[in-house]
Order: sequence, then structure tokens, then C-alpha cells
Amino acid sequence: AQRVTQPEKLLSVFKGAPVELKCNYSYSGSPELFWYVQYSRQRLQLLLRHISRESIKGFTADLNKGETSFHLKKPFAQEEDSAMYYCARNTGFQKLVFGTGTRLLVSP
Amino acid sequence: NAGVTQTPKFQVLKTGQSMTLQCAQDMNHEYMSWYRQDPGMGLRLIHYSVGAGITDQGEVPNGYNVSRSTTEDFPLRLLSAAPSQTSVYFCASSPGNVGYTFGSGTRLTVV
Repeated sequence: AQRVTQPEKLLSVFKGAPVELKCNYSYSGSPELFWYVQYSRQRLQLLLRHISRESIKGFTADLNKGETSFHLKKPFAQEEDSAMYYCARNTGFQKLVFGTGTRLLVSP
Repeated sequence: NAGVTQTPKFQVLKTGQSMTLQCAQDMNHEYMSWYRQDPGMGLRLIHYSVGAGITDQGEVPNGYNVSRSTTEDFPLRLLSAAPSQTSVYFCASSPGNVGYTFGSGTRLTVV
């Protein structure tokens, strides 16, 4: 099955704490992975692509093929990071399979 | 550049009614998709298109039709609305390999 798993529905941290949003995928080849963010009642926005190895808004994500993971990390969470985060994999022809999402809540 | 434009933003339908959700993009993207977003289920692919005149089914296509007569437009038709189709619908477009640009969504309620 082409699956993307985000095991945590909710992650609650305090401002300044490190954040790790988990994402695991089921695929034996070289995956094309993304992280999307959705702020309250807004459209999804692309946060990261694994092939670009960029850092956006302080977030990074590293592909670990051995663990089939693509966890999203940020060393110091900010209140404005509170949002819904989705991990997704391109299964071909730009067909994305999404995880069920993790809600990040950053408290002051 | 307007990006991806979806209309309407909100819609209430009665069971059995039909309607079309409109989606247009002005970025000359080849790939377009429709997703539905339901609580606890993430986003699921309904239909997608790899270019004008070419469409295919996604994970949850039943009850929906699409067409792609132009690069810009990708309307989603609900043939006979059912309460199970109550959801938020997102249209998205991509030039390929750089991720999708999403529309602002249509919140549909079927009563």
C-alpha cells in the first residue's frame, strides 16, 4: 500500500522548545516527499521538498531511507508555527498521497 | 498572478442535487488535481489531470466527474450529491516536481 503515516494527531509544545513532527512512508524506492502546512482555515502551502534540502521558516526535514522517514524538525518553536502539518509523497504523475496530518500547538 | 482560484467558497446542497465546483489556474501548469479534506483522514485524491484532455481517477472518484478542456480550467462535478460528500474540496496545480499550489478551498455541506 502506498501509505504515508503521521502517528501523532496533536503535538503540543511550549514556545522555544524543539519540535519534531514524524512522518513515515511505505515505499522501497527513492521517494519524492513534501511537507505542507495549513494555518487555521487557510489553504495548504508548500513548506519543504526533500529534493531541495532547504530550510523554510526554520524547519528542516531529512530523508532517512533506512527508516523510511521524513521527520520535520525545528529547534525553537514559535507561536506562529501553530498549524496543521501534512506529509505527502508523490506516487507518480504528481499524484500526492497525504498523511492524516499533525496539529502543532505552540503555547506561550 | 491569481494562482489557483476556486469558486464558490461555500455551498449547501440538498441530497440529490448536482453542481460544479470551479477551479482555474493562470500559471500554465500541466498537472491539476482535486482533493477532499475530511477530519482525521487528511487529503484524499479524487481526480487528477496531467494535461489538457487527459484525466484519471484518484483514490475516491465515485460520485464525481471531471474534464480538462483547457490547461487553465479543471471543474469538478458532483452528479447527485450525498451527505457523505460533505467535505472541504481543494483544487491544486503543479508544473511538475516542485509540489502543488493549492486553491483556498470550497466548503460543501450536503443536507
